[in-house]
Amino acid sequence: LAKTTQPISMDSYEGQEVNITCSHNNIATNDYITWYQQFPSQGPRFIIQGYKTKVTNEVASLFIPADRKSSTLSLPRVSLSDTAVYYCLVGGPSGNTPLVFGKGTRLSVIA
Amino acid sequence: SQTIHQWPATLVQPVGSPLSLECTVEGTSNPNLYWYRQAAGRGLQLLFYSVGIGQISSEVPQNLSASRPQDRQFILSSKKLLLSDSGFYLCAWSDPRDTHMPPLHFGNGTRLTVT
Repeated sequence: LAKTTQPISMDSYEGQEVNITCSHNNIATNDYITWYQQFPSQGPRFIIQGYKTKVTNEVASLFIPADRKSSTLSLPRVSLSDTAVYYCLVGGPSGNTPLVFGKGTRLSVIA
Repeated sequence: SQTIHQWPATLVQPVGSPLSLECTVEGTSNPNLYWYRQAAGRGLQLLFYSVGIGQISSEVPQNLSASRPQDRQFILSSKKLLLSDSGFYLCAWSDPRDTHMPPLHFGNGTRLTVT
C-alpha cells in the first residue's frame, strides 16, 4: 500500500471552505484514493473515493492532479458538526488487500 | 441493505481475564472482515483481517487472536487481558468484488477498559 502523509491538525471557522491535502508519492497505477471521516467514539465513515481529476458528491469534492501523487479533500462551508478526524487511504482494487489507516487530520471547526 | 453489528458497546474487564468480542455482518456474503484498535487519541491500528472462513491474517503480534467460524461472523479473543489492551475496538467489512478500492464499513465499536 502507498504510504500517505497528511497534516496532523487544521482549524477553520464555520462557513469556510476547508481543503485537506494528502501526499502519496508511491501511488500505484491501479490505486484509488479514499477519504474517511471519524467522529469521537464512532467508526470511520466513507466520504469519497476517486482515481483521477475531480469527484464530487453531496458531502465533499476530491481533487486529484494528473500525476496523482497527492489529493485534496475539499469540504464546502464547514459547520461545527464537521469537526472530526479525516483519513486518506490509497489502495488497489484487490479486495484482499488489508487497509491501513494513518494518523489522519484532526479538523476543528470554530464558531 | 448491509448492516454490521458489534457488541458489547462497552466492557470493563480486570487484568488477566478473558475477552470475547463478536461482530456479525448481514446482507452480504463472503465479505472481507477486519478488526481494528484505536488507543486514546491515536489512529486506527489494524489487528486482524480475514478473506474467508477460517482464514485469518495477523498484522500485529500480541496476546489477541481472531476467528471466523462462519462467513459473516468475526470474533476477537484473548485468554488473559493486559492493561495495554484497553482501547476502542472496531470491526469492519468490505466487499472483495468491488472493482475499485472497496470501502470499509465499520461497526459502532466496543470501548474496552482493562482495570
